[in-house]
Amino acid sequence: QQQVKQSPQSLIVQKGGISIINCAYENTAFDYFPWYQQFPGKGPALLIAIRPDVSEKKEGRFTISFNKSAKQFSLHIMDSQPGDSATYFCASTPAGTASKLTFGTGTRLQVTL
Amino acid sequence: NAGVTQTPKFRVLKTGQSMTLLCAQDMNHEYMYWYRQDPGMGLRLIHYSVGEGTTAKGEVPDGYNVSRLKKQNFLLGLESAAPSQTSVYFCASSTLEFSTYNEQFFGPGTRLTVL
Repeated sequence: QQQVKQSPQSLIVQKGGISIINCAYENTAFDYFPWYQQFPGKGPALLIAIRPDVSEKKEGRFTISFNKSAKQFSLHIMDSQPGDSATYFCASTPAGTASKLTFGTGTRLQVTL
Repeated sequence: NAGVTQTPKFRVLKTGQSMTLLCAQDMNHEYMYWYRQDPGMGLRLIHYSVGEGTTAKGEVPDGYNVSRLKKQNFLLGLESAAPSQTSVYFCASSTLEFSTYNEQFFGPGTRLTVL
């Protein structure tokens, strides 16, 4: 059973545009929401993460928006660049579960010139 | 530091053959994980370990076995490979320090094809 639903499956954005990827979770016990970035042929790497005590976290051009009541969170990439072209995974985990992450199905982002 | 390394990088098996994938980490992490990545399925947890000598089942454990005899190594075994096990396998590790947002560090992956 998929506990984290991610959309869209793929996304094409022009250089300089805003990329938005959405995730919804079901388990209200989840309390940690990271985003991982994966380039072709590489393993995923942590990009940015948020805990539910804040509604937004920004690091450079990357922002996580979190809506606890709707059980949704999203990744916004401002001023998207060709170097941002990668697959992005949202994930979540309940507290006290030895860091077990439940991943979304991934979004393949292509930033065109 | 090499971080998380995986061997081999690629492997082709025939149905019924066995093999072992090796994961090693040099960050002294307590937790280690094996995932498989399939198109449209994301990353699914196969087995994980919370310390040397311990293992536990993840979301898709059937057909796989694991061992963690040393803290730095986590082995994934396929006793009788099946075409459904064709996938990219990732190993990851993390620390008990929850203040670091439970970040998992991933290896470069092993691409396995079962014919």
